[in-house]
Amino acid sequence: EAQVTQNPRYLITVTGKKLTVTCSQNMNHEYMSWYRQDPGLGLRQIYYSMNVEVTDKGDVPEGYKVSRKEKRNFPLILESPSPNQTSLYFCASSFGTSGGSYNEQFFGPGTRLTVL
Amino acid sequence: GENVEQHPSTLSVQEGDSAVIKCTYSDSASNYFPWYKQELGKGPQLIIDIRSNVGEKKDQRIAVTLNKTAKHFSLHITETQPEDSAVYFCAASTKTSYDKVIFGPGTSLSVIP
Repeated sequence: EAQVTQNPRYLITVTGKKLTVTCSQNMNHEYMSWYRQDPGLGLRQIYYSMNVEVTDKGDVPEGYKVSRKEKRNFPLILESPSPNQTSLYFCASSFGTSGGSYNEQFFGPGTRLTVL
Repeated sequence: GENVEQHPSTLSVQEGDSAVIKCTYSDSASNYFPWYKQELGKGPQLIIDIRSNVGEKKDQRIAVTLNKTAKHFSLHITETQPEDSAVYFCAASTKTSYDKVIFGPGTSLSVIP
């Protein structure tokens, strides 16, 4: 089954304790992205990757890191989480803009993170 | 940068009625406008999209219209059903920066049986 998976689905942690949220897709997509969803603010892009070893900042990158060592994986790293990073996080992937066309983004099920 | 506004934030309709959600964008270079539906506990899923060279697109009970001059686009759902209840997001991006997809704040639609 074609899908985007995220782990963990739920996480409660404390301020300053490094954590990683994993994201994996099995559709051979070039493009992957991380979003956070907060009430009244919709989905805001954190980081995105156009291909392996190619990453760039989205609109709200502060406090986050990413890496893209393999095409299928795109982990989100919070080196020193703070309470304002409490949010619902989504990973998404697509074929990107190959051929100059747009492609549907497929979203994972989400990770609800609480930082105390 | 691009800014996408969306109205209303909540919408309740009776089953069988129509629902309309409106979005405006600020960047005249935007030329791709997808709509996503998010059901409770799930990630958003694309339901329809429209490109700037098209004024209207329809897929069964849903349709999207685009007015590039006014920089606004709308989602129309006809003959609403309880399973249409969800949060709907509009979004905008440009061909030159597809990577930057800007989402609206979302509309929570409730269809009352």
